[in-house]
Amino acid sequence: DAKTTQPNSMESNEEEPVHLPCNHSTISGTDYIHWYRQLPSQGPEYVIHGLTSNVNNRMASLAIAEDRKSSTLILHRATLRDAAVYYCILRDMKTSYDKVIFGPGTSLSVIP
Amino acid sequence: NAGVMQNPRHLVRRRGQEARLRCSPMKGHSHVYWYRQLPEEGLKFMVYLQKENIIDESGMPKERFSAEFPKEGPSILRIQQVVRGDSAAYFCASSPTGHRAAYEQYFGPGTRLTVT
Repeated sequence: DAKTTQPNSMESNEEEPVHLPCNHSTISGTDYIHWYRQLPSQGPEYVIHGLTSNVNNRMASLAIAEDRKSSTLILHRATLRDAAVYYCILRDMKTSYDKVIFGPGTSLSVIP
Repeated sequence: NAGVMQNPRHLVRRRGQEARLRCSPMKGHSHVYWYRQLPEEGLKFMVYLQKENIIDESGMPKERFSAEFPKEGPSILRIQQVVRGDSAAYFCASSPTGHRAAYEQYFGPGTRLTVT
């Protein structure tokens, strides 16, 4: 799986939008961009994924750059419950295996 | 639809004992993955199983660790002769299909193993 780069940590004020960046300059044409998050003392939780077009769901939005070398996870209104480690992961649709390779992620703190 | 279930949630073992961790995937999911998270470290893939088959065990330690996913019943991660370094959170995930990158994995709450 191609590598991603994320900031180690970010802070946001409660009820403000949060933009979590991810660089993946070596992404291949068959890589999907997935985001997971892990709340304290819990298992990882799927957030969103996309291939080329921007995606929205009830949790977040995913904005993918036109050249696909970067993406941004957008939380429209951060709550205290959004404090977690956010992982940006590339998964190749051609790979034989389904495993998810987690990097260190971005630790998001939400300030009341 | 119940999520991925893991039990026990907490397990304490003395050095040299065996630990058995169980995982029931989501209904309709036939693919199971185990991950380990050591204290203050990231999540590491251990093994990927389908019913009655180990597909990828590249992340499993060579000794003392084994996994199975029988035709009936939960997936089991077994650690023999546990040592203090095995203390970690063990997470199980399942997915609805083997193909592949387009599908998300659903994680359980984890089993926190403490070796004393």
